[in-house]
Amino acid sequence: QVQLVESGGGVVQPGGSLRLSCAASGFTFSDYGMHWVRQAPGKGLEWVTFIRYDGSNKYYADSVKGRFTISRDNSKNTLYLQMNSLRAEDTAVYYCAKAMGATWAFNIWGQGTMVTVSS
Amino acid sequence: SYVLTQPPSVSVAPGKTARITCGGNNIGSKSVHWYQQKPGQAPVLVIYYDSDRPSGIPERFSGSNSGNTATLTISRVEAGDEADYYCQVWDSSSDHVIFGGGTKLTVL
Repeated sequence: QVQLVESGGGVVQPGGSLRLSCAASGFTFSDYGMHWVRQAPGKGLEWVTFIRYDGSNKYYADSVKGRFTISRDNSKNTLYLQMNSLRAEDTAVYYCAKAMGATWAFNIWGQGTMVTVSS
Repeated sequence: SYVLTQPPSVSVAPGKTARITCGGNNIGSKSVHWYQQKPGQAPVLVIYYDSDRPSGIPERFSGSNSGNTATLTISRVEAGDEADYYCQVWDSSSDHVIFGGGTKLTVL
């Protein structure tokens, strides 16, 4: 079945780095744009970043631009999020999500991975 | 940047109709998508392109969008509909995805 599985979350000190992965299965990964969305504890959804199906276009939320980098390896059906210069306010559950065709809707979500930035 | 405004909470009795609004400047010119999120779970798409339902979503869920307000309507509300609901658009002027703040639906 169609599935997204995130990994790589954990506890990191302020200023540190972490790389998240999202393994896709059950669909042709290389045909679809992909997003990262996060949710701080008890808060709403916040879009983080998007990458086009072929990696040619990337967009970032202002809050992470210059610190986070999205990438993908279509040969491994895997999406990545490299997070540098982490701050306490980056603490959240991070979800990867599949774009629904050519729309900006997200029709498939992973279960999420928790990132905690704390000293 | 573009802002989407949702009421923090909506309450409805079982069997009645719940309406959750999403306000934004000329939102009627954008495509609005809606998500349901239950505690401890990932969001689920319930409406896309203002009023289309993904397969598996009950017909009780419907959507509309005009002027400055988009609305998610849930008919014949059931206890299992209790969740947080988020609206979402793509803002082409900033190349950003925008989420509303979310609305907690309580079934009385």
